[in-house]
Amino acid sequence: EIVLTQSPGTLSLSPGERATLSCRASQSVSSSYLAWYQQKPGQAPRLLIYGASSRATGTPDRFSGSGSGTDFTLTISRLEPEDFAVYYCQQYGSSPITFGQGTRLEIK
Amino acid sequence: QVQLQESGPGLVKPSETLSLTCTVSGGSITSYYWSWIRQPPGKGLEYIGHIYYSGSTNYNPSLKSRVTISLDMSKNQFSLKLSSVTAADTAVYFCARRPGGNTFDFWGQGTMVTVSS
Repeated sequence: EIVLTQSPGTLSLSPGERATLSCRASQSVSSSYLAWYQQKPGQAPRLLIYGASSRATGTPDRFSGSGSGTDFTLTISRLEPEDFAVYYCQQYGSSPITFGQGTRLEIK
Repeated sequence: QVQLQESGPGLVKPSETLSLTCTVSGGSITSYYWSWIRQPPGKGLEYIGHIYYSGSTNYNPSLKSRVTISLDMSKNQFSLKLSSVTAADTAVYFCARRPGGNTFDFWGQGTMVTVSS
C-alpha cells in the first residue's frame, strides 16, 4: 500500500497570501495518478486536481498542482476566504487507493 | 448533473452488519466504478472498495474480510455491507463515482453511522 504523508499538518496564512501544500508518497505514484481534494466541515470532499496537475471542472485557476514520482505539491497562488479548509492528496494508481492525512489551512 | 445519495440506518449495534445504499440519479450506472469511502469523526478518509458496472469488485485489504459491495442496475443503486462492526467503524460513509483511469468526481453528501449498543 502506498502511504501518503502531507505537510504541514496545519498551515496558518492570511487571505491574499500564497499557500504551498506538500504530499510525499512512500513509493512512486504510477502515471502521476495523484489528486487533491478540498473538504469543508460537514461536506463531502471536492475534487480540485487530478493527474497531478489537471484542474477539475470548476476549479479556479489560482489552484495548481505539480510533481511526479513521490513528491507532489498543491499551490494556491492567492488565498481567498473560501479557500480555508482541509486538503487531502490521494493516489489512484495502485490498489488500494489511499489518502494522505490532510493539511488544515486556517486563517491567520 | 449526476447526484448520489446514501441511505441506511444511522445506528448499528456492535457485532451486527452495517448496510447502506447509494442511489445514483441524473446519469447511467454503466461504465464507471462505484465506490465507498469512510471518514471517522475528526479523522481522514479511508477507501473501502468499489464495484464496476460489470459486477467485478475490489476491496481494501484492511476491510476485505468484512466487506461486500453489490450493484442493482435496475434501480441505479449500489450497496455496502460491513459485517461484525465495532466502535472503530463509526464514521461518515460516502459513496462516490470514479471514471476508469481517473479519480472520484462525484460524491454523495455522506451519512453518519454510529456503532453503539
